[in-house]
Amino acid sequence: DQQVKQNSPSLSVQEGRISILNCDYTNSMFDYFLWYKKYPAEGPTFLISISSIKDKNEDGRFTVFLNKSAKHLSLHIVPSQPGDSAVYFCAASATGGSYIPTFGRGTSLIVHP
Amino acid sequence: DVKVTQSSRYLVKRTGEKVFLECVQDMDHENMFWYRQDPGLGLRLIYFSYDVKMKEKGDIPEGYSVSREKKERFSLILESASTNQTSMYLCASSFQRESDTQYFGPGTRLTVL
Repeated sequence: DQQVKQNSPSLSVQEGRISILNCDYTNSMFDYFLWYKKYPAEGPTFLISISSIKDKNEDGRFTVFLNKSAKHLSLHIVPSQPGDSAVYFCAASATGGSYIPTFGRGTSLIVHP
Repeated sequence: DVKVTQSSRYLVKRTGEKVFLECVQDMDHENMFWYRQDPGLGLRLIYFSYDVKMKEKGDIPEGYSVSREKKERFSLILESASTNQTSMYLCASSFQRESDTQYFGPGTRLTVL
């Protein structure tokens, strides 16, 4: 049973537009959320995180929004660039319990020039 | 800068062979992890370790074992490789229990013939 779901396996966006990647979770104990970015033939790299005490965290072109009541988070990339083309993994953990993050299956983002 | 290195980028083995995948991190991290990544399945945790000589099973430990004799090194062992273990193997480390940001190695693409 997937506790972290990324329901869109892929997303295609035009350069300069906004990319919105979605993630849903089922475990109400999750209180820390992360996004990782992965290029082919490389390991994932940490992108941005958010604690459950916040509903938004921003870092340059990347913003993560958290809706605790809906158990939903989203990653916004504005403006999207061709170099953003990668697989994006959402991860969640319960810092008061097991600190091991649970990963979603990933969304492949393609940004067209 | 954190560096996580893996012994091989690409490996080809035969069914039944014993396979060793090595991972080394240079930041004195307590926690180390082994994942496999398969298309459509995301990152699945095989084993993790939060201290030297300590190991815990992840979600898919069957067919694998691990060894952590030194803090900086975490080895994944396939006792008798099978074709369904063909995958991308990713090692990760993190600093301490409360910090969930993981640093990943570049991955080893293992093919079992």
